[in-house]
Amino acid sequence: GQNIDQPTEMTATEGAIVQINCTYQTSGFNGLFWYQQHAGEAPTFLSYNVLDGLEEKGRFSSFLSRSKGYSYLLLKELQMKDSASYLCAVGDDKIIFGKGTRLHILP
Amino acid sequence: EAGVAQSPRYKIIEKRQSVAFWCNPISGHATLYWYQQILGQGPKLLIQFQNNGVVDDSQLPKDRFSAERLKGVDSTLKIQPAKLEDSAVYLCASSLAQHSGNTIYFGEGSWLTVV
Repeated sequence: GQNIDQPTEMTATEGAIVQINCTYQTSGFNGLFWYQQHAGEAPTFLSYNVLDGLEEKGRFSSFLSRSKGYSYLLLKELQMKDSASYLCAVGDDKIIFGKGTRLHILP
Repeated sequence: EAGVAQSPRYKIIEKRQSVAFWCNPISGHATLYWYQQILGQGPKLLIQFQNNGVVDDSQLPKDRFSAERLKGVDSTLKIQPAKLEDSAVYLCASSLAQHSGNTIYFGEGSWLTVV
């Protein structure tokens, strides 16, 4: 079977750092995506990891450990506009999404 | 570059009625996806096309849902008859090719409310 787990909600303060974890169990693996989705909008691509390690892109970084079935998205210098849902998605022969983590940013 | 286009943006229908959603993917994208996203959940893949062929429709409720991509470009998703639990956002997405690191680009979605 296929299963993707991520926390339902998280809260952080503007200017701080937050880490959103994702664990997965899938029959195959062709990479892991992170998407950002603001309320009422479509998901937008943030990052893609296929090899173990950290990928950094500005304020956002994504980490993957294939042996542990684990990834995290790290957001630095949080801004109010980062309030959104963050979706972890695993690619096999198709791309399966987790339920998403709603991130609330407090001023 | 134009993004994924979807219509209508919003639709309210009564249960047992029918509805159709249209999608035009990004030009040149061979793979087209329809996802269903219920409020508070992640997108669930309903059907995936590669050009005009179906790659995966294992989670499509075929007794009421149908989809086609006749000329390998735009696509329609139909629900007939609709049930209350079909209330969701229907997201169309496209990618250059089937997944092997190809980013999926989403349209703005078609919001369906069944009353």
